[in-house]
Amino acid sequence: DTAVSQTPKYLVTQMGNDKSIKCEQNLGHDTMYWYKQDSKKFLKIMFSYNNKELIINETVPNRFSPKSPDKAHLNLHINSLELGDSAVYFCASSRGQDRYEQYFGPGTRLTVT
Amino acid sequence: GESVGLHLPTLSVQEGDNSIINCAYSNSASDYFIWYKQESGKGPQFIIDIRSNMDKRQGQRVTVLLNKTVKHLSLQIAATQPGDSAVYFCAEGGASKIIFGSGTRLSIRP
Repeated sequence: DTAVSQTPKYLVTQMGNDKSIKCEQNLGHDTMYWYKQDSKKFLKIMFSYNNKELIINETVPNRFSPKSPDKAHLNLHINSLELGDSAVYFCASSRGQDRYEQYFGPGTRLTVT
Repeated sequence: GESVGLHLPTLSVQEGDNSIINCAYSNSASDYFIWYKQESGKGPQFIIDIRSNMDKRQGQRVTVLLNKTVKHLSLQIAATQPGDSAVYFCAEGGASKIIFGSGTRLSIRP
């Protein structure tokens, strides 16, 4: 049983394209997150949603648009991809927005050429 | 400003020895301090957290120590095993988000 799943696991695309990454959690959590991890392993929060409402937006370019159709899903759509968007993107979830025990997905490695 | 840093980027220990991973932080207002482990090709995994009003907390084979006087956090792993090989992140929790440090890679010598 996969707790937090992401698709696709790998994504290779050209500059200027639009792509989406999907995330689903079956833990019954009400808070979900998107993180970006760069090539130096630095992990930074991008967005968080609590009960489908956006609560954190960490100065991410508006080319990135998260969407939460329900509490179990948080998708990330990226428009006009740039080389600097290449990274590993992690989805995570937690029980409550002030809980620091977060459950991470396996990551999506995005490569923009 | 907020920052979480680590003293050593890599740490190599003999299997069976104890490991100590250190971390410095600068934001005294953080509510929690947290340790995560990330194995190769996987997402980070929660290990243990400690509330800012505590100075020690123990888990299974792990102990976290918090020294607020010098803004220092450490993770001690007892009897290090091959499965402990990973990158370890310290992090600060507050304002509904986690700020991660840059990570320490722990490698185990047989």
